[in-house]
Amino acid sequence: AQKVTQAQTEISVVEKEDVTLDCVYETRDTTYYLFWYKQPPSGELVFLIRRNSFDEQNEISGRYSWNFQKSTSSFNFTITASQVVDSAVYFCVLGDNYGQNFVFGPGTRLSVLP
Amino acid sequence: DTGVSQDPRHKITKRGQNVTFRCDPISEHNRLYWYRQTLGQGPEFLTYFQNEAQLEKSRLLSDRFSAERPKGSFSTLEIQRTEQGDSAMYLCASSSRREPLGTQYFGPGTRLLVL
Repeated sequence: AQKVTQAQTEISVVEKEDVTLDCVYETRDTTYYLFWYKQPPSGELVFLIRRNSFDEQNEISGRYSWNFQKSTSSFNFTITASQVVDSAVYFCVLGDNYGQNFVFGPGTRLSVLP
Repeated sequence: DTGVSQDPRHKITKRGQNVTFRCDPISEHNRLYWYRQTLGQGPEFLTYFQNEAQLEKSRLLSDRFSAERPKGSFSTLEIQRTEQGDSAMYLCASSSRREPLGTQYFGPGTRLLVL
């Protein structure tokens, strides 16, 4: 069975602090995809990043960076120099090889305080 | 606005009534997904369409739920004989064969309250 665990239910940081959101997944598939989505207070989910299971290269996009470690089944997300606008719920997602079925983690609510 | 749209945005109904939600995906997106999200939880996958074909259904989709995408464009999700446990946000997402597999664009959702 596929499963995504986000152990941090809520995190609060002060603006400009760095913060890492943890994600651990379980799957028996050899080919799969991992995603992070952001759900701001407005409610609409926003795609952030996609990785496939064969690409363990870490990625940086502006203040965002992702660390994929297949050996530990983790796909962690770091926000550098956090801003108030980063306040949202962040979901880690595991997708199958066919793009047909997706499992969302329970989410981590990030609050960035001014 | 060329994003995914959903209608209605809010629906209040009495237990036992039938409700139908509509999703209009981004134009030319051939993949369409329905999810259900309850308060404080992540979205749960319900079903997936590729064009007009329903290729994947979750076990969460009981026989009271049915989804259609008759012409491969908009989709409807119907819940028959609603129960209080059906109260949730129903999300629709779409994606294109031109996008990396699995990249989804979500609509604003339909919030259902069953009294």
